[in-house]
Formats: sequence, structure tokens, C-alpha cells
Amino acid sequence: AQSVTQLGSHVSVSEGALVLLRCNYSSSVPPYLFWYVQYPNQGLQLLLKYTSAATLVKGINGFEAEFKKSETSFHLTKPSAHMSDAAEYFCAVSGTGNQFYFGTGTSLTVIP
Amino acid sequence: GAVVSQHPSWVICKSGTSVKIECRSLDFQATTMFWYRQFPKQSLMLMATSNEGSKATYEQGVEKDKFLINHASLTLSTLTVTSAHPEDSSFYICSAQTDRRNTGELFFGEGSRLTVL
Repeated sequence: AQSVTQLGSHVSVSEGALVLLRCNYSSSVPPYLFWYVQYPNQGLQLLLKYTSAATLVKGINGFEAEFKKSETSFHLTKPSAHMSDAAEYFCAVSGTGNQFYFGTGTSLTVIP
Repeated sequence: GAVVSQHPSWVICKSGTSVKIECRSLDFQATTMFWYRQFPKQSLMLMATSNEGSKATYEQGVEKDKFLINHASLTLSTLTVTSAHPEDSSFYICSAQTDRRNTGELFFGEGSRLTVL
């Protein structure tokens, strides 16, 4: 069975600082991994996805994530935080079949 | 990317009435659609999975008679909250998937906020 764990339900960074949001997955088969962003009162928007191609995945808005099989991790990073990055971020995994599992989410606050 | 549209975005209704939320895939055929419920500051809770032309599969603890799901076509699924009560107030999000041959990526609607008075 697949699952994801997001460490840290709240992360605060200063504007211009590095953003690091952690995600670890548990999967018995090579997974597909995703990061989604949710702004208040909106649906989820795909930031990036890993589909067994390059381990370093670049997404929208300057975000990227690295798939590390040895660490079963798929952490999301951005070199320099913007105020507009403040949102809820969800890591998700899908595998065989239609099953899709979300992490509990990490709320990112950007301090001016 | 694929676009999924939900309507209405906001709805307020009186207790005891029924509310229908529509989820449409605008530029692709959605073989599978999912309905989620999201409480404030929490993750998405999968309510049910619907495949076009067949009955929805509900997650444990979700009342089938309370949350009626219909997936009448490859581009439309509806969620009807029947006899709504204040505890049904929540943010409901749908998502759609094309087919199993792709990466399993889900495309999400904008969400519908239901407030039951």
C-alpha cells in the first residue's frame, strides 16, 4: 500500500529564504509522486510530478523536487520564497490502479 | 493541462434542502472522477470514486444516501448533498482522471464551499 508523510504541518520562512517542504513516501512499487498547491478557497493546482524519468523535477513558480529512492523522499524546494508562495502544499502518491493518496498538507507562511 | 470546472463555487442553503454540485472536465474525457471533502486546515478526505456509467464506490463512513453521486457522461459528475444539515458544511472538491495508461495525475476543480444554515 502507498502512503505519504509530510513532516511539519506549518513552515514559516522569510521572504527570499529557501523553502523546503518535506515528503516521504511508502510504496512497494515505483510510485508516481506529485506536489500540489492550494490557495485559500481554491482547488488544487499541480506544481510538479515525478513519473520515473529524471529524479530532479522542475515545476511551476520556481519549485523543484528531487526523488531519492534511498531515502524514500520527494522534498519540495524553492531557492527564494515570495510572498505569493504562501499557501497549503500537498504531497501525493499514486500507483497501480486509481488509488491516489495525499499527505496531511503543509501550510507555508512567508514572512516579509 | 486538462481543465476541470466545478459549479457552484459557493452555495448557501437552508437546513433540510438538497444541493447539487457539478464537476465537468472541459477538454478531456474523464473515465474516473473523485469527490473529496476538506475541513478547515486539513487534507482532502476521499468520499467516493465514480466511473462513467456505473455506481460510485464510496469510502468507508460516507453515507451513500446522503451524498448522491452521478457520473452520467465522460465529462460530467454531480454530487448531491441531500437533506443538508449544518454539519455538512464544508469545502467539496472534485478531481478527474483520464485513463490508467497515464501517470495517474489528477486534475482538480476549483472547489465548492457549502454552507448550511
